[in-house]
Amino acid sequence: DAGITQSPRHKVTETGTPVTLRCHQTENHRYMYWYRQDPGHGLRLIHYSYGVKDTDKGEVSDGYSVSRSKTEDFLLTLESATSSQTSVYFCAISGGGGSQETQYFGPGTRLLVL
Amino acid sequence: GNSVTQMEGPVTLSEEAFLTINCTYTATGYPSLFWYVQYPGEGLQLLLKATKADDKGSNKGFEATYRKETTSFHLEKGSVQVSDSAVYFCALSDLTGNQFYFGTGTSLTVIP
Repeated sequence: DAGITQSPRHKVTETGTPVTLRCHQTENHRYMYWYRQDPGHGLRLIHYSYGVKDTDKGEVSDGYSVSRSKTEDFLLTLESATSSQTSVYFCAISGGGGSQETQYFGPGTRLLVL
Repeated sequence: GNSVTQMEGPVTLSEEAFLTINCTYTATGYPSLFWYVQYPGEGLQLLLKATKADDKGSNKGFEATYRKETTSFHLEKGSVQVSDSAVYFCALSDLTGNQFYFGTGTSLTVIP
């Protein structure tokens, strides 16, 4: 199994509060991704990173920001959480080595915004 | 653009039944194709993949063949088990290998 951890695994917060989710990898992979998973939508890309301090937006980036100050860590921040951000969040990594790359996923963080 | 369409569930089968989950894709060029499986409360795990046309990916009794002419990558298993109950996602990666596109997932329940 790829060495990917996410913290926290579960979080309950209130509307309007900031929330930061952490993804940590031990594989030294170049690419890191944040997805959210919602019923009927499958996986939707929020943001991704292609190197330290290099990030870009995904399909559903509004209301989210990310940072990557080290290869192994990719943070997802909800500046002011809303109920629509209640979801399961998955981090993923890939080596960025070309078209035959595989994406590996962390265990997920379940976030409830009240 | 790139996209993946997979059959909607839920799918319920009896143990030892034959499984097919359909997946078709739209992509520029010849992407790599994947099937991921998600067990309850867990993240997605790679089940199998194929990187070029006519390749067959296989793992744990599951198979899928990369069909360029029909732009399909259907997942099959000859005899399902209760332990195969999970959500299955079809996915593709673009030509750079940096962007991945997922279907909406198909929930499978296998009953004894």
